[in-house]
Amino acid sequence: NAGVTQTPKFQVLKTGQSMTLQCAQDMNHNSMYWYRQDPGMGLRLIYYSASEGTTDKGEVPNGYNVSRLNKREFSLRLESAAPSQTSVYFCASSPGIKGLFFGPGTRLTVL
Amino acid sequence: AQSVAQPEDQVNVAEGNPLTVKCTYSVSGNPYLFWYVQYPNRGLQFLLKYITGDNLVKGSYGFEAEFNKSQTSFHLKKPSALVSDSALYFCAVRDGPGNLFFGTGTRLTVIP
Repeated sequence: NAGVTQTPKFQVLKTGQSMTLQCAQDMNHNSMYWYRQDPGMGLRLIYYSASEGTTDKGEVPNGYNVSRLNKREFSLRLESAAPSQTSVYFCASSPGIKGLFFGPGTRLTVL
Repeated sequence: AQSVAQPEDQVNVAEGNPLTVKCTYSVSGNPYLFWYVQYPNRGLQFLLKYITGDNLVKGSYGFEAEFNKSQTSFHLKKPSALVSDSALYFCAVRDGPGNLFFGTGTRLTVIP
């Protein structure tokens, strides 16, 4: 039981490049989330998926797209990376009101 | 909208002393409150939650939190701090369908 896994762990992009962050969970959770963590700002929700086939915007969705490929997988795509998207990205899943289970994170630097 | 505030960016405490990390909340309706801990270069780990029931909630690693409705607070506590407790602590409140709104975090340093 791996929990929530994320790939890659680290990534460096140039401004304008695109990339997809992958996330998978093996806990059979319906809900999945993408957060970004920036110093002094805590975690901010980018997008979430309450169930397979649905996605909704969070607090900071601009510049991102998501795909809920199936119940296990929830990917985050940066179409044209900007320096402001330099951050640590966390994927999480949830069975409901019991809280969130987080992946180890992806550290992204955009030059 | 629901929100939480962590008024202290940094808390220092001597090993063996009691520790408190503060959190206040603002919600409409009944609050679902959580504490998470983040160790360096790791994801967040669940410590404890308050949904309903006893105001004193016990969690992982000897931590506990006291829910105080009149003061809208949910402070994290531990009777005797360990150096290994040094980490970043986040308070969170349920906001919407399963989502959590996180505070800005408090860095706890336990001094040997």
